[in-house]
Amino acid sequence: EAGVVQSPRYKIIEKKQPVAFWCNPISGHNTLYWYRQNLGQGPELLIRYENEEAVDDSQLPKDRFSAERLKGVDSTLKIQPAELGDSAVYLCASSSAPLLGQPGSGANVLTFGAGSRLTVL
Amino acid sequence: DAKTTQPTSMDCAEGRAANLPCNHSTISGNEYVYWYRQIHSQGPQYIIHGLKNNETNEMASLIITEDRKSSTLILPHATLRDTAVYYCIVTMTGGYQKVTFGIGTKLQVIP
Repeated sequence: EAGVVQSPRYKIIEKKQPVAFWCNPISGHNTLYWYRQNLGQGPELLIRYENEEAVDDSQLPKDRFSAERLKGVDSTLKIQPAELGDSAVYLCASSSAPLLGQPGSGANVLTFGAGSRLTVL
Repeated sequence: DAKTTQPTSMDCAEGRAANLPCNHSTISGNEYVYWYRQIHSQGPQYIIHGLKNNETNEMASLIITEDRKSSTLILPHATLRDTAVYYCIVTMTGGYQKVTFGIGTKLQVIP
């Protein structure tokens, strides 16, 4: 199994330019997450999808960030226009439907991709 | 979700056990303790989780105190490849619960 696939792995752009990141989750995982990780910090949730519905986008800066998950599979995160402070690693993760789990069931376990490192000049 | 407190950094000699502590004094009865780790230039990786009993898998052991206010992740024989940032997270299992990462513990395994 390929795991969560993200592209591009690295992106360098000038401020005010647009940028887009793509994520292909694990097959069958209905929940998809986008996190942003600044240097030296833990990942911060931007948006979560259940199938094609965005069910938690409270931390997404909606003036410049947008996301979509067409057909409930792949997802794209877009920034337009990019600002210097957007330089970070953008992580995509997926998980299967949450269950009333027992330890070891794998419930609520997120599988992350390698991330997309954005540098805004 | 309950807040967790971890040391910022730790060192461990290669081949020795690495014991990573986590305090979660406000944990509620239906919240689990999860551990993830993040190796440099990779996304976080799930390690283990538990409710109140000690748990062990091929990667690590999780020891949760009887009052559940703290836990310890144990890597029994640390290798250089275990150098990473380790995150302790408390969240409910069952239905969706937000997974919130703190700063974690930077574990450096020393040759």
